[in-house]
Amino acid sequence: AQKVTQAQTEISVVEKEDVTLDCVYETRDTTYYLFWYKQPPSGELVFLIRRNSFDEQNEISGRYSWNFQKSTSSFNFTITASQVVDSAVYFCALSEARGDSWGKLQFGAGTQVVVTP
Amino acid sequence: DGGITQSPKYLFRKEGQNVTLSCEQNLNHDAMYWYRQDPGQGLRLIYYSQIVNDFQKGDIAEGYSVSREKKESFPLTVTSAQKNPTAFYLCASIPTGVPNTEAFFGQGTRLTVV
Repeated sequence: AQKVTQAQTEISVVEKEDVTLDCVYETRDTTYYLFWYKQPPSGELVFLIRRNSFDEQNEISGRYSWNFQKSTSSFNFTITASQVVDSAVYFCALSEARGDSWGKLQFGAGTQVVVTP
Repeated sequence: DGGITQSPKYLFRKEGQNVTLSCEQNLNHDAMYWYRQDPGQGLRLIYYSQIVNDFQKGDIAEGYSVSREKKESFPLTVTSAQKNPTAFYLCASIPTGVPNTEAFFGQGTRLTVV
C-alpha cells in the first residue's frame, strides 16, 4: 500500500527566509507521480509542482524548487525567500499509474507554514 | 472560465439527516473524486468515478453514496449512517488518459452536524 509521510506539522519563519518541506513516500509501483499542493485559508487546493518517478532531475520554478531522490523515497520542496502570502498548508501527494488507480491521490498529513513579516 | 464548482460552501446537518453535496465541472474531465479532510489530517478518498455511470469506493466510503449520471456532475450524499460527518469535503477532477496531470479541485464544502 502506498503511504506519504510529512513529519513536519508546522514551520514558522520570518519573511525572506527559505523554507524546506520534507516528504517521504512508500509505494510498490515502479511508475508513479508525486505532487505538491498548497491550501490557503480559503480551503481550495492549488497545484504547485509534479514529478514523474522516472525523472529525477531537480528543477527550480521561480521561488519554488524540489529535490526528488528515489534512493531515499523523498520529494522535498523548498520555498526561497518566503513571503507572507506563502502562509498555508502544504500537502505532498502520490499517485500510482495503474489503470484502476488512475488519479487517486494519497496525501500526507500536511505541513502548516507560517511566514511572519 | 473552466473549473469545478462545489455547493454549498457551508452546510449544516441535523442528526439522522441525509445531505447532498454538489460538484459540477465544465472541464470535460472524465474522472472525478471526492475527498474528506479532517483537522490536522491529509485528504482521504471517499469515492471516485473514472467514467459516467461507474464509480468505485475509496478508502473511507462507509456512510456515503454517490452517483455519476452525467459527465459534469458527481454529487456526494452523506447519509445518516456516517457517524462523524463533520469535515471539509473537496471534489476533484482529472482528464483520463493524460499522464502525469494534476488534479483540479473545487473550493470545498464545510459540513457541520448540529
